This record gives sequence, structure tokens and C-alpha cells, in this order.
Amino acid sequence: GESVGLHLPTLSVQEGDNSIINCAYSNSASDYFIWYKQESGKGPQFIIDIRSNMDKRQGQRVTVLLNKTVKHLSLQIAATQPGDSAVYFCAETSNSGYALNFGKGTSLLVTP
Amino acid sequence: NAGVTQTPKFQVLKTGQSMTLQCAQDMNHNSMYWYRQDPGMGLRLIYYSASEGTTDKGEVPNGYNVSRLNKREFSLRLESAAPSQTSVYFCASSASTGKEGYTFGSGTRLTVV
Repeated sequence: GESVGLHLPTLSVQEGDNSIINCAYSNSASDYFIWYKQESGKGPQFIIDIRSNMDKRQGQRVTVLLNKTVKHLSLQIAATQPGDSAVYFCAETSNSGYALNFGKGTSLLVTP
Repeated sequence: NAGVTQTPKFQVLKTGQSMTLQCAQDMNHNSMYWYRQDPGMGLRLIYYSASEGTTDKGEVPNGYNVSRLNKREFSLRLESAAPSQTSVYFCASSASTGKEGYTFGSGTRLTVV
């Protein structure tokens, strides 16, 4: 079946640097993508989303880029802070149109 | 302003026992979901309910049943727990489809011995 995956399972960055987390998706029919952040012992929290009619969307310190040609999604975090340490998941809409399919996650570790 | 509330937070079961995980949301959302999270596997959909009165299977429904009791509540039942069901279970809700994004509960950590 089609799936959402991530290129890097772990990413270590220094505080103040920019972080880039990548995600590959294989369902060419997906029209909506989301990034979630999950801190240890907590449920995932919405960060930012993007629809397939857009290439880029910016939030507070975060930017999501969508490249439909190569089915690639990335999350950029500017000036990474220790509080950004977490697991990040990308997700896409499933064929049902209701549920989301999640990738396996990337662990981001921010070091001082 | 509770959002999505799951109970219990932790549970240990013996193989063959049954239990129900409870989930309630106070955001007047139409759709609710149950996921399980295992190390290295991400979040996998067990069941979802697009609206009150409807339920549908997700990716990994075997061994589970669900009930959409009303608009607020969506329960997950394990009739005969197995060690393979040891996992962290998350309930989520959305206004309608997942394209509005989910709000997740804090999870139930279940261990089956």
C-alpha cells in the first residue's frame, strides 16, 4: 500500500541553528499534509499544514515546503530552541478523505 | 477547555482480559479516531468515526471494537487482550475530515502481560 515515510530517523542540531526535517510521500492523490510535534509522554500537537495547491506555507518560526513533482515535504524550524526537541511526524490524508496516514517520525534533539 | 480526554492513562492487563478505553471531546467535533503508536511504527489507524452513528475500520482493526456512544464519546474495546496489543493508544478528533487537523488526547499506555 501507499505510505508516508521520513528520510532521517534522528536529527541533532545546535541551539540557534535552523533545522530541516524531510518527508517523502507516495500517494500522488494526497491533497493535504500536516506536521505534528510529539513531546515525550504527550499526544501529537499540530504545527502547520499545507494543501496541495500551495508550495510553501509559513508559520511562527516554521515553514513547510511541498514539492509535488518529487512527492517531498519538509519542515523548516528557524533558530531551533531546546523546547523544539521532540519527535516530528508528517501526515497525509488517506483515501477515505477522513483519516490521516502518519509517517514513522523523526526525533529532533537540540543541544546547547 | 479540556479538548480530548482519554481514560485511563495507564493500564496493565493479563492476556485474555478485556477492557474499554474511553475518549471524550468537548469541541463539538464530528469525527473521532483511534490510533496506536508502537516504537518505530509511527501512528496507525485502528478505527474512525466520521460522524455520530458511523464507524469504519482503519489500517489495523483486528482485535478491537469501537462504539460511537454519542457525538462526544468514542470508545475502544479489547475483547481478549493479547501481548501484541501492548502499545500507546491515542484518541483524536476533528471538526469533520482530517483536513482540518486533529486534536489528540494525551494517550493510554497499555501493557498486556
